[in-house]
Amino acid sequence: EDKVVQSPLSLVVHEGDTVTLNCSYEVTNFRSLLWYKQEKKAPTFLFMLTSSGIEKKSGRLSSILDKKELFSILNITATQTGDSAVYLCASRTGANSKLTFGKGITLSVRP
Amino acid sequence: DAGVIQSPRHEVTEMGQEVTLRCKPISGHDYLFWYRQTMMRGLELLIYFNNNVPIDDSGMPEDRFSAKMPNASFSTLKIQPSEPRDSAVYFCASSLGEDGPNEKLFFGSGTQLSVL
Repeated sequence: EDKVVQSPLSLVVHEGDTVTLNCSYEVTNFRSLLWYKQEKKAPTFLFMLTSSGIEKKSGRLSSILDKKELFSILNITATQTGDSAVYLCASRTGANSKLTFGKGITLSVRP
Repeated sequence: DAGVIQSPRHEVTEMGQEVTLRCKPISGHDYLFWYRQTMMRGLELLIYFNNNVPIDDSGMPEDRFSAKMPNASFSTLKIQPSEPRDSAVYFCASSLGEDGPNEKLFFGSGTQLSVL
């Protein structure tokens, strides 16, 4: 059974801190790994990673994939209170189009 | 583009009642997904469609759950009879296709279902 595990489950930091969120996966026929941010309702897309070692960057957020060790990290630098959310990691397998999600990491950024 | 539209936003019902959740995907998207989210289990895929055809329904919990997609712009998820353990947020999502940047899902705002 495909499995995606995120850690830590929750995290509290202060504005300006840098955080690293972890995602490990065990899936058959891996194709891609995706990160989503979920604030109040719908998850919104952040990154999709398919190749090892290539960093994806968007402002203060960046992410990288390691296909040998089967994990990905999401970094957020100079955190702001608006970064408070649940961060979801999901893996897509080649067998079909479905995404298997981790349970998410709840990030709280205190002023 | 209006995005993925779900209705209702909230549904409160009594055990044993039928519940119907509705979804309008983004126009032109070939794939439609139904997910359920709970604190205990996170986001779980229930079923997905490609070009209106159900492809994988292995996540549908039991026979009380059914989903249809009569056309490219509309899908329903029905629970009959509903039970308290069905209480969750149900998300609909759509995507363009399988490869590359088309893989990313766009989610609706979800339906918060409470079964008393």
